[in-house]
Parts: sequence; C-alpha cells; structure tokens
Amino acid sequence: DAKTTQPPSMDCAEGRAANLPCNHSTISGNEYVYWYRQIHSQGPQYIIHGLKNNETNEMASLIITEDRKSSTLILPHATLRDTAVYYCIVRGYSGGGADGLTFGKGTHLIIQP
Amino acid sequence: GAVVSQHPSWVICKSGTSVKIECRSLDFQATTMFWYRQFPKQSLMLMATSNEGSKATYEQGVEKDKFLINHASLTLSTLTVTSAHPEDSSFYICSAREGSNPYGYTFGSGTRLTVV
Repeated sequence: DAKTTQPPSMDCAEGRAANLPCNHSTISGNEYVYWYRQIHSQGPQYIIHGLKNNETNEMASLIITEDRKSSTLILPHATLRDTAVYYCIVRGYSGGGADGLTFGKGTHLIIQP
Repeated sequence: GAVVSQHPSWVICKSGTSVKIECRSLDFQATTMFWYRQFPKQSLMLMATSNEGSKATYEQGVEKDKFLINHASLTLSTLTVTSAHPEDSSFYICSAREGSNPYGYTFGSGTRLTVV
C-alpha cells in the first residue's frame, strides 16, 4: 500500500469547513484513497473513499487531485463532535477484504467552539 | 449498515490471568476479521487476521501463543490474551468487512484492557 503523509494536527472553528490534506505521491493506478476517523476511545469510523473522481456523501467530500498524488477531505460545517483523529489510507480495492488496513499517524483535528 | 459488536468494552485483570475478547458481525457474515492493538497516543497496529475455519495469520512480532484467535463461525471471532502482563494493557479493536460492502471495513467499539 502506498505511504501517506498528513499533518499531525489541525484546528478549525466550529461551523467552518475543515479541510484535511493528505499526500500520497506513490499511489498506483488501482489504489483507492480511504478516509477513516477515530473519536477518542472508540473504534475507527469509515467516512468516504474514492479512486480519481471527487466524491461526496452525507459526512464529507473528498477532493482528489488530477495526478492523484494528494487529496483533501472536507467537512463542510464542522461541529465539536467532529473532533477526532482522521486517517488517510491508500490501498487497492479488495473485494474479498483479505487484508487489514495500515494506519498511519493521522491528523488530530480539534474543533474550537 | 454493517455493524460489528465488540465485548467487553473494558476489562481489568490480574497479571498472569487470561482475558477473552469477542467480536461479532451483527448483520452480515465475515469470513475474515482483523484484530488491532492501539497503545496510548499511537496509531492502530494490525495484530492478526482471523479466518473462519482456519488458523489466524499473525503480523510479524505478534506472539501467536500469547494472543489466541478463534474464528469458529462466520459471525464470531475471539481474541484471548493469555497470561496477561501489564505491558499487554492496551486498546484492542476488531474489524470485519462484508464481501460486497463498498464502504470498507467496519470496526468494533474497542476493548480497553488494563492488567494490574
């Protein structure tokens, strides 16, 4: 799986958009970008994933650059409950799910009131 | 959506005893489940892959005789920490993926193990 680089921490004001960057310059053509988050003392929660097109769901938007070497997770209207560690993970899509995920250090997003 | 239930959510045990943690997929069948460990202020580290009906696959550096994994059915995997010591105190998390689920892996809520 390709390596990812994320800033260790970020602050964002409540109600504003939180933009979390991720660099994955060694990503290969068949690898997806996944985002998970982990609220303190809980298991990780899936947020969104994408291959090359921008994606949006009820939680967030994922913007992937044209060269796919970086991406940005956008939480459009951050709330205090969005304070968590956000993990950007790159891996090939495995329909059988035979391999576990490799977590980096992630970005600790702190939403300020 | 897919739900993974993990039990217990926390446990305190004496050094030298064994502790069993259960991981259940509630609304889907999981031929493969995964066990992670997370120490304070660190990221999740994959310990082992649990395969229904066969032996688990352990990551390098994880003692298979200490962390016993049993995946006897398509909805249940258990992790037993044998002869626990204080250095085994950690947050243990399981996950599973439904074969047809496009949303990736579903994680349990974790088990906080404290060995005293």
